[in-house]
Amino acid sequence: KNQVEQSPQSLIILEGKNCTLQCNYTVSPFSNLRWYKQDTGRGPVSLTIMTFSENTKSNGRYTATLDADTKQSSLHITASQLSDSASYICVVTSSGGSYIPTFGRGTSLIVHP
Amino acid sequence: DSGVTQTPKHLITATGQRVTLRCSPRSGDLSVYWYQQSLDQGLQFLIHYYNGEERAKGNILERFSAQQFPDLHSELNLSSLELGDSALYFCASSVDQSNYGYTFGSGTRLTVV
Repeated sequence: KNQVEQSPQSLIILEGKNCTLQCNYTVSPFSNLRWYKQDTGRGPVSLTIMTFSENTKSNGRYTATLDADTKQSSLHITASQLSDSASYICVVTSSGGSYIPTFGRGTSLIVHP
Repeated sequence: DSGVTQTPKHLITATGQRVTLRCSPRSGDLSVYWYQQSLDQGLQFLIHYYNGEERAKGNILERFSAQQFPDLHSELNLSSLELGDSALYFCASSVDQSNYGYTFGSGTRLTVV
């Protein structure tokens, strides 16, 4: 069964600090892995997307890594800002015929001043 | 504005009723995906349409149905509504079937009372 597990479930950090969110998956066959930021009550917004051959992708202060061998990904946020407070969702899509995404439950990040 | 338009933004209805949610994809996108996000739950993939044809089904109840019209907009029909159907319903669109670059709408919040 395809699964995506994210950790930690929630995280509180101080403004200006860095943090790393984790994503482990068992999705097969693998097509791509995405990180989304979702503000409360809003639609998810894509941060990064990586295919099998990519092991790192940056988007401003967000850097995602992918280890396809261990089926792990991380999202590193540098110099956090109050606006980074949101849920961060890891999504892995399989490529077996139809591209069905499997979503993680998300990590809730709160940035305090 | 993501370019994906969902209406209505909010909907309150009684148990046993039927509602229709509407999604207009970004200009040029042929694929539409529907998702359900219940309180404290992750996003659940419901169904995917590409250029008017159903491509993949996820955890969609038999009481729910969807279609994509020739102008590419899509509707999600929810019938015999139950309290547990209260959730945010998102649609996303992408240019092809791989959902590589899909974009979410802002969602419809359904409350069943």
